[in-house]
Amino acid sequence: EVQLVESGGGLVQPGRSLRLSCAASGFTFDDYAVHWVRQAPGKGLEWVSGISWDSGSIGYADSVKGRFTISRNSAKNSLYLQMNSLRAEDTALYYCARDIRGSGVGLEYWGQGTLVTVSS
Amino acid sequence: DIQMTQSPSSVSASVGDRVTITCRASQGINSWLAWYQQKPGKAPKVLIYEASSLQSGVPSRFSGSGSGTDFALTISSLQPEDFATYYCQQLDIFPYTFGQGTKLEIK
Repeated sequence: EVQLVESGGGLVQPGRSLRLSCAASGFTFDDYAVHWVRQAPGKGLEWVSGISWDSGSIGYADSVKGRFTISRNSAKNSLYLQMNSLRAEDTALYYCARDIRGSGVGLEYWGQGTLVTVSS
Repeated sequence: DIQMTQSPSSVSASVGDRVTITCRASQGINSWLAWYQQKPGKAPKVLIYEASSLQSGVPSRFSGSGSGTDFALTISSLQPEDFATYYCQQLDIFPYTFGQGTKLEIK
């Protein structure tokens, strides 16, 4: 069974940093692209970042470019999102999602999300 | 960035109705489009990928069409469990932008 479990969310002050993790299981992690998608309370979906199966292709939303860094660790079957210089508008539920293939095709499996609240 | 515009933003329909939601990209994306369904408090679920490929396990009443800039998601006969919010997403070029969503409500 494919499972994605996010962790690392919480309450953080503006300007501070946070690192999200996503532990993957039930599939060969190295074969798939993975993504972070966020959803602010009562709002729509926003794709944040994605990384291809081999880390050769990485992308970011304009709203986070230069502040957030995505990475993956095959040995730990894990995806990460390092979030620096956090702003109030980064407050959202952050989902980890696995693609259908090794690069962007569609987000097939999703975790339950980890909540990030940026507030003083 | 590629902008994705869904229409309508909300729609009311009855069980058994045929409903079509459209999604327009600000530039051509070939067929790199996915559709998702999201219910309150739940993670999204992929319905369609590559514009018209039905994801495994998704009922055949869902279908996708289009290429280039104009796409559509059609539900042929609405069932009670289909009332939800639907999103399109382009996966042609980073950033992989979503549409703003279409809320499908019971009439």
